[in-house]
Amino acid sequence: QSALTQPRSVSGSPGQSVTISCTGTSSDVGGYNYVSWYQQHPGKAPKLMIYDVSKRPSGVPDRFSGSKSGNTASLTISGLQAEDEADYYCCSYAGSYTLIFGTGTKVTVL
Amino acid sequence: QVQLVQSGAEVKKPGSSVKVSCKASGGTFSSYTISWVRQAPGQGLEWMGRIIPILGIANYAQKFQGRVTITADKSTSTAYMELSSLRSEDTAVYYCARAEGYSYGPVPEQYYFDYWGQGTLVTVSS
Repeated sequence: QSALTQPRSVSGSPGQSVTISCTGTSSDVGGYNYVSWYQQHPGKAPKLMIYDVSKRPSGVPDRFSGSKSGNTASLTISGLQAEDEADYYCCSYAGSYTLIFGTGTKVTVL
Repeated sequence: QVQLVQSGAEVKKPGSSVKVSCKASGGTFSSYTISWVRQAPGQGLEWMGRIIPILGIANYAQKFQGRVTITADKSTSTAYMELSSLRSEDTAVYYCARAEGYSYGPVPEQYYFDYWGQGTLVTVSS
């Protein structure tokens, strides 16, 4: 099973919004509302930012939001801040108690 | 507050095996699943498999079937990931991660990871 497809990189100026897409198939992203997003700074463990497509854990700023349409999920960061510069990964349930990650996207704050 | 503490870095020869541990504290070890996720240098995250510690049931990504074994010791709240027939491409940081609930349990299994271990670097080199 191939990794979910994400753009290699996205960038934006402070205060702008950026959106990261995560494209899968009807067997993963499109088949379940179990998409999560993780932020990873260099040398650190990933951090949960969004779960179940659009839910935000406590402590995560409301600048981060998630959505899904068909086989594509999206993470939007509004009001981009310097500390948002990191790698972001989507993850989806893929049936039979298995999960699959996306290829990862580097967010650069200009 | 759940904390996952992993064992230290390992250097292994090609063809050998490695076993990484993940000790949980806080929370109830028997009420969630533990997954293993790896990340090769400069690469993305890759889900390897997961275990329901209270039942000892494990599921694996197809890519790792037959080469990875995930186990758990309820008495010490520790999960293990053993990878065999190591090759250079297995050089990576290996993470354990928790997801609440489990299939067949009182709390539905969640498919996201709210707590992660600090990672264990496994280097495969001759």
